Amino acid sequence: NAGVMQNPRHLVRRRGQEARLRCSPMKGHSHVYWYRQLPEEGLKFMVYLQKENIIDESGMPKERFSAEFPKEGPSILRIQQVVRGDSAAYFCASAPGTGGNQPQHFGDGTRLSIL
Amino acid sequence: GENVEQHPSTLSVQEGDSAVIKCTYSDSASNYFPWYKQELGKRPQLIIDIRSNVGEKKDQRIAVTLNKTAKHFSLHITETQPEDSAVYFCASSGGYQKVTFGTGTKLQVIP
Repeated sequence: NAGVMQNPRHLVRRRGQEARLRCSPMKGHSHVYWYRQLPEEGLKFMVYLQKENIIDESGMPKERFSAEFPKEGPSILRIQQVVRGDSAAYFCASAPGTGGNQPQHFGDGTRLSIL
Repeated sequence: GENVEQHPSTLSVQEGDSAVIKCTYSDSASNYFPWYKQELGKRPQLIIDIRSNVGEKKDQRIAVTLNKTAKHFSLHITETQPEDSAVYFCASSGGYQKVTFGTGTKLQVIP
């Protein structure tokens, strides 16, 4: 059973470009979460999605950031017009949609570097 | 919203000694408390979790305790080994699964 798959593992962008980060949840999981982690810091919640629905985006900046989890295909975290401060590791986690509190399983992350 | 505080931020122990990491949470509705281990450059991995209807849970050298009245929960690692060296995160979760993480504890086990 494949785990949470994120790609790319590393992404380099120049200031002003767009970054697209992809996350395929574990098989059978319908809940996806995105987190951001700066070096030597903790995990900051960004957004929680179910298929075709954003449930909670309270941790995501209102400008330049967007997320989706379409009916088919991976979840996408999109950062437009990237700036140096967007450099970080972005982790995706998934959980089953069975209700109640279930463990979240993390992908290997995407390390985003802004030149 | 939920606030999770974690102490200490760094912890050094001799191999074979025990390590204890403590967390407090603010939202009395939180009822699920996972712990994650993150090695350098790798993904956070779930190592143990506890639900609010249980006061203690143990898995080999790892145990977690929960005091709902005081809103405290702790991770205990016994007979520490060098491979236990990592950053450990506590977390809490309420009904719809948004998880709030602590700030992490960097554990160093000295051989």
